[in-house]
Amino acid sequence: DTAVSQTPKYLVTQMGNDKSIKCEQNLGHDTMYWYKQDSKKFLKIMFSYNNKELIINETVPNRFSPKSPDKAHLNLHINSLELGDSAVYFCASSQDPAGPGGYTFGSGTRLTVV
Amino acid sequence: EDQVTQSPEALRLQEGESSSLNCSYTVSGLRGLFWYRQDPGKGPEFLFTLYSAGEEKEKERLKATLTKKESFLHITAPKPEDSATYLCAARVGGNTPLVFGKGTRLSVIA
Repeated sequence: DTAVSQTPKYLVTQMGNDKSIKCEQNLGHDTMYWYKQDSKKFLKIMFSYNNKELIINETVPNRFSPKSPDKAHLNLHINSLELGDSAVYFCASSQDPAGPGGYTFGSGTRLTVV
Repeated sequence: EDQVTQSPEALRLQEGESSSLNCSYTVSGLRGLFWYRQDPGKGPEFLFTLYSAGEEKEKERLKATLTKKESFLHITAPKPEDSATYLCAARVGGNTPLVFGKGTRLSVIA
Protein backbone atom coordinates (compact mmCIF):
# COMPACT_ATOMS: atom_id res chain seq x y z
CA ASP A 1 0.00 0.00 0.00
CA THR A 2 1.40 3.37 -1.01
CA ALA A 3 1.60 5.67 2.02
CA VAL A 4 1.55 9.01 0.17
CA SER A 5 0.31 8.87 -3.39
CA GLN A 6 0.29 11.65 -5.95
CA THR A 7 -1.40 11.81 -9.30
CA PRO A 8 -0.48 12.30 -12.02
CA LYS A 9 3.19 11.30 -12.01
CA TYR A 10 3.86 13.28 -15.19
CA LEU A 11 2.03 16.34 -16.47
CA VAL A 12 2.86 18.15 -19.72
CA THR A 13 0.77 21.19 -20.50
CA GLN A 14 0.82 24.45 -22.39
CA MET A 15 1.38 27.89 -20.94
CA GLY A 16 -1.79 29.52 -19.72
CA ASN A 17 -3.58 26.29 -18.87
CA ASP A 18 -4.99 25.40 -15.45
CA LYS A 19 -4.05 22.07 -13.88
CA SER A 20 -4.42 20.17 -10.61
CA ILE A 21 -2.25 17.67 -8.77
CA LYS A 22 -3.82 15.35 -6.23
CA CYS A 23 -2.30 13.91 -3.08
CA GLU A 24 -3.63 11.33 -0.66
CA GLN A 25 -2.06 9.78 2.44
CA ASN A 26 -3.25 6.66 4.24
CA LEU A 27 -0.99 7.05 7.28
CA GLY A 28 -3.48 8.91 9.46
CA HIS A 29 -1.11 11.89 9.65
CA ASP A 30 -2.47 15.27 10.66
CA THR A 31 -0.11 17.50 8.68
CA MET A 32 0.48 17.63 4.94
CA TYR A 33 2.82 19.68 2.79
CA TRP A 34 3.57 20.71 -0.76
CA TYR A 35 7.21 21.15 -1.74
CA LYS A 36 8.63 22.26 -5.09
CA GLN A 37 11.90 20.78 -6.33
CA ASP A 38 13.55 22.80 -9.06
CA SER A 39 15.99 21.68 -11.73
CA LYS A 40 18.86 22.00 -9.25
CA LYS A 41 17.12 19.55 -6.90
CA PHE A 42 16.40 22.27 -4.31
CA LEU A 43 13.32 21.40 -2.23
CA LYS A 44 11.36 24.45 -1.16
CA ILE A 45 8.22 24.51 0.99
CA MET A 46 5.10 25.93 -0.60
CA PHE A 47 2.24 25.12 1.77
CA SER A 48 1.56 23.30 5.00
CA TYR A 49 -1.83 22.11 6.22
CA ASN A 50 -2.77 20.74 9.62
CA ASN A 51 -6.11 18.99 9.90
CA LYS A 52 -7.47 20.70 6.78
CA GLU A 53 -6.34 24.15 7.91
CA LEU A 54 -3.65 26.20 6.18
CA ILE A 55 -0.69 26.69 8.51
CA ILE A 56 2.11 27.88 6.27
CA ASN A 57 1.83 29.74 3.01
CA GLU A 58 5.26 30.67 1.76
CA THR A 59 5.87 33.31 -0.86
CA VAL A 60 4.14 31.54 -3.69
CA PRO A 61 2.24 33.23 -6.56
CA ASN A 62 -1.47 33.30 -5.88
CA ARG A 63 -1.92 31.28 -9.06
CA PHE A 64 -1.18 28.33 -6.76
CA SER A 65 -4.08 27.34 -4.54
CA PRO A 66 -4.04 24.34 -2.21
CA LYS A 67 -7.24 22.66 -1.14
CA SER A 68 -7.70 20.10 1.62
CA PRO A 69 -11.16 18.45 1.54
CA ASP A 70 -10.20 16.25 4.50
CA LYS A 71 -7.04 15.55 6.46
CA ALA A 72 -6.05 12.68 4.17
CA HIS A 73 -6.07 14.77 1.00
CA LEU A 74 -4.20 17.87 -0.10
CA ASN A 75 -4.60 18.96 -3.70
CA LEU A 76 -2.73 21.68 -5.56
CA HIS A 77 -4.42 23.72 -8.25
CA ILE A 78 -2.37 25.94 -10.53
CA ASN A 79 -3.90 28.63 -12.72
CA SER A 80 -2.41 30.26 -15.81
CA LEU A 81 0.65 28.04 -15.91
CA GLU A 82 3.99 29.65 -16.77
CA LEU A 83 7.25 28.18 -18.08
CA GLY A 84 8.88 28.80 -14.68
CA ASP A 85 6.37 26.52 -13.00
CA SER A 86 8.11 23.52 -14.56
CA ALA A 87 9.47 21.47 -11.66
CA VAL A 88 8.80 18.35 -9.62
CA TYR A 89 6.12 18.86 -6.98
CA PHE A 90 6.21 16.67 -3.89
CA CYS A 91 3.47 16.06 -1.40
CA ALA A 92 4.48 14.94 2.10
CA SER A 93 2.85 14.19 5.42
CA SER A 94 3.92 13.96 9.05
CA GLN A 95 2.25 12.74 12.23
CA ASP A 96 3.62 15.53 14.38
CA PRO A 97 5.44 18.46 12.76
CA ALA A 98 7.41 18.97 15.97
CA GLY A 99 8.10 15.28 16.60
CA PRO A 100 11.12 13.09 15.91
CA GLY A 101 9.71 11.35 12.88
CA GLY A 102 10.50 12.67 9.48
CA TYR A 103 8.16 13.41 6.65
CA THR A 104 6.82 10.73 4.34
CA PHE A 105 7.02 11.94 0.77
CA GLY A 106 5.10 10.94 -2.31
CA SER A 107 6.96 10.01 -5.47
CA GLY A 108 6.46 13.41 -7.03
CA THR A 109 4.66 14.96 -10.00
CA ARG A 110 6.92 16.17 -12.80
CA LEU A 111 5.23 19.21 -14.33
CA THR A 112 6.48 20.43 -17.69
CA VAL A 113 5.04 23.64 -19.11
CA VAL A 114 5.66 24.17 -22.83
CA GLU B 1 17.44 33.87 6.97
CA ASP B 2 17.64 30.20 7.89
CA GLN B 3 20.05 28.35 5.62
CA VAL B 4 21.21 24.81 5.12
CA THR B 5 24.28 24.22 2.94
CA GLN B 6 25.53 20.85 1.80
CA SER B 7 28.91 19.91 0.39
CA PRO B 8 30.15 18.60 -1.86
CA GLU B 9 27.47 18.91 -4.54
CA ALA B 10 28.58 15.62 -6.03
CA LEU B 11 30.85 12.84 -4.81
CA ARG B 12 32.15 9.85 -6.70
CA LEU B 13 33.56 6.94 -4.69
CA GLN B 14 34.95 3.55 -5.45
CA GLU B 15 33.15 0.69 -3.78
CA GLY B 16 34.59 0.31 -0.28
CA GLU B 17 36.02 3.85 -0.19
CA SER B 18 34.65 5.50 2.96
CA SER B 19 33.86 9.22 3.02
CA SER B 20 31.71 11.90 4.64
CA LEU B 21 29.07 14.34 3.45
CA ASN B 22 28.74 17.71 5.14
CA CYS B 23 25.66 19.72 6.09
CA SER B 24 26.20 23.11 7.70
CA TYR B 25 23.31 25.13 9.02
CA THR B 26 22.70 28.73 9.98
CA VAL B 27 19.35 28.73 11.72
CA SER B 28 17.75 30.55 14.60
CA GLY B 29 17.31 27.74 17.09
CA LEU B 30 17.68 24.24 15.71
CA ARG B 31 14.87 21.88 16.69
CA GLY B 32 16.14 18.89 14.75
CA LEU B 33 18.47 18.00 11.88
CA PHE B 34 17.13 15.45 9.41
CA TRP B 35 18.83 13.31 6.78
CA TYR B 36 17.02 11.90 3.76
CA ARG B 37 17.97 9.73 0.82
CA GLN B 38 16.48 10.43 -2.61
CA ASP B 39 16.68 8.00 -5.53
CA PRO B 40 16.08 9.23 -9.11
CA GLY B 41 12.39 9.64 -9.87
CA LYS B 42 11.37 9.12 -6.26
CA GLY B 43 10.56 11.19 -3.22
CA PRO B 44 13.01 11.65 -0.36
CA GLU B 45 13.14 8.79 2.13
CA PHE B 46 13.68 9.55 5.82
CA LEU B 47 16.93 8.28 7.36
CA PHE B 48 17.74 10.01 10.68
CA THR B 49 16.83 12.78 13.08
CA LEU B 50 19.46 14.37 15.33
CA TYR B 51 18.64 16.82 18.09
CA SER B 52 21.69 17.79 20.08
CA ALA B 53 25.42 18.28 19.56
CA GLY B 54 27.30 15.04 20.07
CA GLU B 55 24.36 12.85 19.08
CA GLU B 56 24.99 10.01 16.62
CA LYS B 57 22.65 7.70 14.73
CA GLU B 58 23.56 4.65 12.64
CA LYS B 59 21.89 2.57 9.99
CA GLU B 60 23.83 -0.10 8.12
CA ARG B 61 26.79 1.68 6.45
CA LEU B 62 25.55 5.16 7.36
CA LYS B 63 26.30 7.15 10.50
CA ALA B 64 25.05 10.68 11.11
CA THR B 65 26.63 13.02 13.64
CA LEU B 66 25.78 16.52 14.81
CA THR B 67 27.78 19.47 16.11
CA LYS B 68 26.58 22.97 16.96
CA LYS B 69 27.08 24.18 13.40
CA GLU B 70 27.07 21.15 11.15
CA SER B 71 26.17 17.55 10.61
CA PHE B 72 28.08 14.80 8.87
CA LEU B 73 26.84 11.70 7.14
CA HIS B 74 29.63 9.14 7.22
CA ILE B 75 29.47 6.32 4.71
CA THR B 76 31.61 3.32 5.57
CA ALA B 77 32.65 0.88 2.84
CA PRO B 78 29.92 2.05 0.45
CA LYS B 79 28.32 -0.20 -2.13
CA PRO B 80 26.85 0.76 -5.52
CA GLU B 81 23.35 0.56 -4.03
CA ASP B 82 24.25 3.49 -1.77
CA SER B 83 24.29 5.73 -4.87
CA ALA B 84 21.63 8.40 -4.40
CA THR B 85 21.20 12.05 -3.50
CA TYR B 86 21.47 12.67 0.24
CA LEU B 87 19.52 15.63 1.59
CA CYS B 88 19.73 17.26 4.99
CA ALA B 89 17.06 19.48 6.44
CA ALA B 90 16.69 21.64 9.54
CA ARG B 91 13.65 22.22 11.69
CA VAL B 92 13.73 25.68 13.24
CA GLY B 93 10.42 25.82 15.06
CA GLY B 94 7.71 23.60 16.42
CA ASN B 95 5.41 23.71 13.43
CA THR B 96 7.81 25.16 10.87
CA PRO B 97 8.29 23.00 7.78
CA LEU B 98 11.73 21.57 7.20
CA VAL B 99 14.31 23.74 5.42
CA PHE B 100 16.29 21.59 3.00
CA GLY B 101 19.80 21.82 1.62
CA LYS B 102 20.46 21.23 -2.08
CA GLY B 103 21.78 17.73 -1.50
CA THR B 104 24.91 15.75 -2.29
CA ARG B 105 24.72 13.42 -5.27
CA LEU B 106 26.69 10.30 -4.36
CA SER B 107 27.88 7.81 -6.98
CA VAL B 108 29.54 4.59 -5.86
CA ILE B 109 31.38 2.76 -8.61
CA ALA B 110 31.92 -1.01 -8.48
